[in-house]
Amino acid sequence: SSELTQPPSVSVSPGQTASITCSGDKLVDKYVCWYQQKPGQSPVVVIYQDTKRPSGIPERFSGSISGNTATLTISGTQAVDEADYHCQAWDTSTAGVFGGGTKLTVL
Amino acid sequence: EVQLVESGGGLVPPGGSLRLSCAASGFTVSSNYMSWVRQAPGKGLEWVSIIYSGGGTDYAGAVKGRFTISRDNSKNTLHLQMNSLRVEDTAIYYCARDDVVVLPGAVPQYFYHGIDVWGQGTTVTVSS
Repeated sequence: SSELTQPPSVSVSPGQTASITCSGDKLVDKYVCWYQQKPGQSPVVVIYQDTKRPSGIPERFSGSISGNTATLTISGTQAVDEADYHCQAWDTSTAGVFGGGTKLTVL
Repeated sequence: EVQLVESGGGLVPPGGSLRLSCAASGFTVSSNYMSWVRQAPGKGLEWVSIIYSGGGTDYAGAVKGRFTISRDNSKNTLHLQMNSLRVEDTAIYYCARDDVVVLPGAVPQYFYHGIDVWGQGTTVTVSS
């Protein structure tokens, strides 16, 4: 079982804000990344170091962290954002651990 | 072009062995942190193993003692030797590059930017 806990699914209406959480022990002491994965494709990082967005990732994607919970927020969600989202926590003592993944449905 | 291409997947009976390979282009494997990540059918991502630029390695508890990560610097290739395979090892196996910035010093500082390059994955099926 994953050491990081994500909700299995989240639903959102187009144009609304989607929030996906990731909970784990001492998460604030680790680097949290978020990956987007569409069916049949390899994952793509959308957030790294808790809050940073790689070049090429739309501004509607943002990350935050408080205590033991990290949150991926998608503002003005679009149909193209429908995908699985995976959180990852990394530090030098445990390398990478992933959450169970969240299926985002844009209704 | 920066690219990772896996090979070596297939069908193997429980208890069998398989060796995965990952050919890199556009960058040097030995200068980077490199990982294997797997995804069982319909499941989330699972980190499997990492080899650091210095050559050290780490493994997930589920595969420790059965899997071995290595690299061939002359061929710029990453490998994963999988022994004593179990049905629960069935998954797509991805080769991946971890983007890590290390600031040297008395106490090195590490800044993890996530996995920035993924392969297309190779499928391993463990079944009798």
